Amino acid sequence: AQSVTQLDSHVSVSEGTPVLLRCNYSSSYSPSLFWYVQHPNKGLQLLLKYTSAATLVKGINGFEAEFKKSETSFHLTKPSAHMSDAAEYFCVVSAGTSGGSYIPTFGRGTSLIVHP
Amino acid sequence: GAGVSQSPSNKVTEKGKDVELRCDPISGHTALYWYRQSLGQGLEFLIYFQGNSAPDKSGLPSDRFSAERTGGSVSTLTIQRTQQEDSAVYLCASSLDGVGPQLIGTQYFGPGTRLTVL
Repeated sequence: AQSVTQLDSHVSVSEGTPVLLRCNYSSSYSPSLFWYVQHPNKGLQLLLKYTSAATLVKGINGFEAEFKKSETSFHLTKPSAHMSDAAEYFCVVSAGTSGGSYIPTFGRGTSLIVHP
Repeated sequence: GAGVSQSPSNKVTEKGKDVELRCDPISGHTALYWYRQSLGQGLEFLIYFQGNSAPDKSGLPSDRFSAERTGGSVSTLTIQRTQQEDSAVYLCASSLDGVGPQLIGTQYFGPGTRLTVL
């Protein structure tokens, strides 16, 4: 079984300040973890993914995430927010099943609000 | 086109009618997923096609929902006898999934079909 919890439904920051979007997961197998972004009226786009290589993963648009197995976390960070970062962010886990299926589980999303 | 396309972009139907939603994945992608996204919710997995394997239908909410993928490419999601609770955005994604988590490909999402059941 697998699950993912995004700890904040909304995060509000000022432009130029750091961003932290929190994600915790649980899985029975070694997971692959992803962050996707969904801008208003746009499709979902992959930001970054972890698949058991380096624990610190760098993605597009200056975002990065660190896989911490001991904390079962995969938090998304960015040093300095831009207005264009305002969007919905989804944390995703895919850990496999005994039957070999890798259906991903999406978190409920975190809405990032960026103030001028 | 280079991306995943879905049609129609919007569909308004009356309760009890059947609807068909279409997804054209990226050429060559072996895996195809259908999801449902309700207002303010995350993505709910519906069904997964991988190559010639039997689809994983574990996410379909009722027997009113079905999907097929012809020739390993285009997929159609059918909802029979639609209900108001079926109203949502239906998203399709494709990827180059393989065996094992190392080979889980990046999912490329289509723009979605917004279904409204009156």
